[in-house]
Formats: sequence, structure tokens, C-alpha cells
Amino acid sequence: EAGVTQFPSHSVIEKGQTVTLRCDPISGHDNLYWYRRVMGKEIKFLLHFVKESKQDESGMPNNRFLAERTGGTYSTLKVQPAELEDSGVYFCASSQDVVIQRTGELFFGEGSRLTVL
Amino acid sequence: GNSVTQMEGPVTLSEEAFLTINCTYTATGYPSLFWYVQYPGEGLQLLLKATKADDKGSNKGFEATYRKETTSFHLEKGSVQVSDSAVYFCALSDRSNTGKLIFGQGTTLQVKP
Repeated sequence: EAGVTQFPSHSVIEKGQTVTLRCDPISGHDNLYWYRRVMGKEIKFLLHFVKESKQDESGMPNNRFLAERTGGTYSTLKVQPAELEDSGVYFCASSQDVVIQRTGELFFGEGSRLTVL
Repeated sequence: GNSVTQMEGPVTLSEEAFLTINCTYTATGYPSLFWYVQYPGEGLQLLLKATKADDKGSNKGFEATYRKETTSFHLEKGSVQVSDSAVYFCALSDRSNTGKLIFGQGTTLQVKP
């Protein structure tokens, strides 16, 4: 079974440009999460989808960030326009309801590293 | 609010040395606790977990015990290997059933031959 896959693995853009990150969760996982690690600090929650609906977007830093999950399958995270402080590693994770309710465990992808120059 | 504090790194050890990475947490209720690991060039992987007080999670020679009285979940390994070099993250999940994780800042471990 394929794990959580993310694309691209690394993106380098200039300030003011747009970047779109994609995440394909594990098949059958209704819950999808985006997290971010900036400058070697802690990994922080951005938002949570249940199927195609945003369950919790309390961690989204500002309105330059837009996440979508069309049809409840893959998800995209768009940053427009990008700023220097957006540089970091963006992680996607997924899980099933029964797993979350029992243990809270998430399954993570390898992350997309974003560098804004 | 909920939070996780890890010892700052980097931690540098010789092969076969004993490892302890401290992790303490602040949370209401009874969270689940996790250690995730990120090896160079790879994504986050669950290393071990514990879901209630006094539980011991273990995997690949690593252990951590959920200590409610000291609100701690310290990671230990008796004899580290070069292949254990990675970044280790302590995390908690509250019991609101959302799956939202709170992470510590990560501890980089480098093991030298």
C-alpha cells in the first residue's frame, strides 16, 4: 500500500511568486492534515480536512495560504504571494477515524521543502 | 494550552552510548504521546507511542514511558548506532478526537562511529 506522497520534494521560488504543493493521502484515509516546520523549530499544525471539508484551519498563518481538497482525495496548498518567512518544510499527513479516535496517530509524507528567495 | 518541550540539541554520541532525549508536556486531560523520527532525506515516521499513563512504548530498541506524575515521555536507547542519527520529535494528541498533534521543536541526534 502506498504511503502519503507529496510533490514537489523541493521548490525554490522568489518572493511574490506562487507555489502549489500537492499531497496524496493513503487510500481510504478521510482525514488529511497539513503541518509546517519553519527554521528548524517545532512542527506546527496548519489545517485538517475531513473528506473535502475543512474541519479545522486554525493554524493557517494568513490569507496568502489556500488549501483545497477536491473530491476528498488529494489536497493542494497554495501560497500566493510567497514571502521569505514562508520558507520551511510542509508536511502532509493522513489517518482513518478509527485510528485517530483510538490513538491519535498520523501517517506522514516526506514533506515538501519550500525556499523563498 | 497544550505544549511539548524537548531538550535542545544537537546531541552527539559515540556508537554504543546510552541515549536519553527528554520530553515534557503540558496538557489537559489524558493525551496520547508519540515519538516521531525523521531520518536524513526521509519523511516523519512514527517511532513509538503510548496512550495512557504508565504505558511503555517501544520499537527498534527505543523506549519511552508515559509518566503522568512528572508529565514526561523521555526517549531512551541503551546502545545507539550510527544509523540512529536523525531528528527526533516528541508530540502529543489531545483527546478531542481531531488527530491534531502538538510537536516539540525536535532534537537532532548524531552518532559517531
